[in-house]
Amino acid sequence: GENVEQHPSTLSVQEGDSAVIKCTYSDSASNYFPWYKQELGKGPQLIIDIRSNVGEKKDQRIAVTLNKTAKHFSLHITETQPEDSAVYFCAATGGGGADGLTFGKGTHLIIQP
Amino acid sequence: GAVVSQHPSWVICKSGTSVKIECRSLDFQATTMFWYRQFPKQSLMLMATSNEGSKATYEQGVEKDKFLINHASLTLSTLTVTSAHPEDSSFYICTQPGYTFGSGTRLTVV
Repeated sequence: GENVEQHPSTLSVQEGDSAVIKCTYSDSASNYFPWYKQELGKGPQLIIDIRSNVGEKKDQRIAVTLNKTAKHFSLHITETQPEDSAVYFCAATGGGGADGLTFGKGTHLIIQP
Repeated sequence: GAVVSQHPSWVICKSGTSVKIECRSLDFQATTMFWYRQFPKQSLMLMATSNEGSKATYEQGVEKDKFLINHASLTLSTLTVTSAHPEDSSFYICTQPGYTFGSGTRLTVV
């Protein structure tokens, strides 16, 4: 089955700086890679996703890059703000929606004021 | 993405009792729902996939007799934790194939 590794487990950055979280996956058949933000006591919120036919996707301060050959994808957050503090999870799946997601272990992002 | 409503948001029950958690797809007819479990400060683990009108598919290591899943209609899937024990205390959360999650259910077994 799929295995997703996520690094780092904790990331502390100064407000206004950029944050990068990296994930690798094992199953070359995976074709959908979402990123979630989870705040304490709440369900995961989808913040951005990318499919395997695309190398990069951007939405305002958030971007995701995908390297299919190396089987890794990354989340980039620019101009970080205090409200970006949360736990971020990457995930991977194939099957066009028929399969569940395999999650990374999460990154606790701390934005220092 | 599709909107998923989960109920209750939190529940406390006594050991040995059963608890039912509902997951409703509000604007999407979902023939499939995915159920996850998240222990404190850990990641989400897929428990099972419910299929409308047929049996659920369970992940390895998940007891199907303990975690009963029913998907009776295109908008409702339920997870029943039977004979709950304190180790079943966790955050249970569902999603449909568009991968928008419900708000989750915090189960505490005392």
